[in-house]
Amino acid sequence: EAGVAQSPRYKIIEKRQSVAFWCNPISGHATLYWYQQILGQGPKLLIQFQNNGVVDDSQLPKDRFSAERLKGVDSTLKIQPAKLEDSAVYLCASSRRTGEDEQYFGPGTRLTVT
Amino acid sequence: LAKTTQPISMDSYEGQEVNITCSHNNIATNDYITWYQQFPSQGPRFIIQGYKTKVTNEVASLFIPADRKSSTLSLPRVSLSDTAVYYCLVGDGRGGYQKVTFGIGTKLQVIP
Repeated sequence: EAGVAQSPRYKIIEKRQSVAFWCNPISGHATLYWYQQILGQGPKLLIQFQNNGVVDDSQLPKDRFSAERLKGVDSTLKIQPAKLEDSAVYLCASSRRTGEDEQYFGPGTRLTVT
Repeated sequence: LAKTTQPISMDSYEGQEVNITCSHNNIATNDYITWYQQFPSQGPRFIIQGYKTKVTNEVASLFIPADRKSSTLSLPRVSLSDTAVYYCLVGDGRGGYQKVTFGIGTKLQVIP
């Protein structure tokens, strides 16, 4: 079974620029998560999709971050404009359903904002 | 959301059993307890999940007392490759959607 795919793996941009991350979850997984992990901290949930609907985006900075999951499969996370404090690893995860199902994480995208 | 508390770091020698305890005093009736492991430059990886009593798999054991206010992850005979950060999560496992929060985790350093 193929794992969660993410791209790019690394990205360096200047502040105020835009950036987009892509995630392809495990086939058949209904739930998709985007996390932000700042160095030395645990992952912080930004947004959770159930199929193509949002079930939780309470910690997503909506003035600059946006995410979509078209057709309930792939997802993109965008930052526009980026700030220095957005430097972090962005992790995508998926699970079969919601509830107690384990989450499968991708390798992450390391973003550096200069 | 039930908040979790776990030690920030632990050291252990190779071959020893390591027990990491997580406190979750406000755990709700429907909450499951899940542990993840994270190596540097990788995403977290599911280790084990339980609701009550004891759960064991090929990697670890999870001990949950009757009051469920804490849980202990047990790693038998650790090796250098077990050096990682371990996260304890508590979340609603039934109905609705599961909302879990990762804390800082416990950084386990295995010493040769």
